[in-house]
Amino acid sequence: DGGITQSPKYLFRKEGQNVTLSCEQNLNHDAMYWYRQDPGQGLRLIYYSQIVNDFQKGDIAEGYSVSREKKESFPLTVTSAQKNPTAFYLCASSRKQGAKDTEAFFGQGTRLTVV
Amino acid sequence: SQKIEQNSEALNIQEGKTATLTCNYTNYSPAYLQWYRQDPGRGPVFLLLIRENEKEKRKERLKVTFDTTLKQSLFHITASQPADSATYLCALDMSGGYQKVTFGTGTKLQVIP
Repeated sequence: DGGITQSPKYLFRKEGQNVTLSCEQNLNHDAMYWYRQDPGQGLRLIYYSQIVNDFQKGDIAEGYSVSREKKESFPLTVTSAQKNPTAFYLCASSRKQGAKDTEAFFGQGTRLTVV
Repeated sequence: SQKIEQNSEALNIQEGKTATLTCNYTNYSPAYLQWYRQDPGRGPVFLLLIRENEKEKRKERLKVTFDTTLKQSLFHITASQPADSATYLCALDMSGGYQKVTFGTGTKLQVIP
């Protein structure tokens, strides 16, 4: 089945620790994205990548880092510099900019809790 | 920056009726607008996309309208069913492709049997 897979589904982190969230897609999409969702708020864009080895900051990139070494993978690291990391994290992919069908396909999300 | 407003109050509707959800935006009209469905604890699922030169789009029991004068999109679910209960998000992007899409906070729909 084609799709986008996030792991783990639940993640607990101690304060001061870095943690990496995995996102893999087999849809052959060029573009990948990370969003954060907090209760009562919409999705907020953290980072996005339109092509391998290139990525751009979204609206709330501080305290996060990403890499895009392979087309299929776009891991997100939540660093200790992120002051309020407890949230629901969503990864998405889409065809690249300018393509006719541009809807995003989302993973099932990772719920990160700082303990 | 572009702002999207969706009714944050939950919408309760009787089964069989038509549910209408509203998405208003400020500033510039987007090249297109999308609607997604999100169930609790899961990622959003794409439903419909409507472009700036389209007034209306339909897919089975779903209908989306786009009024660039009012800066508003309406999302209708006809003959609503309890299985339609979910949060519905609208999203828009100013570019021709999916780049920095802005999402609304979503409206929670509850269809009562």
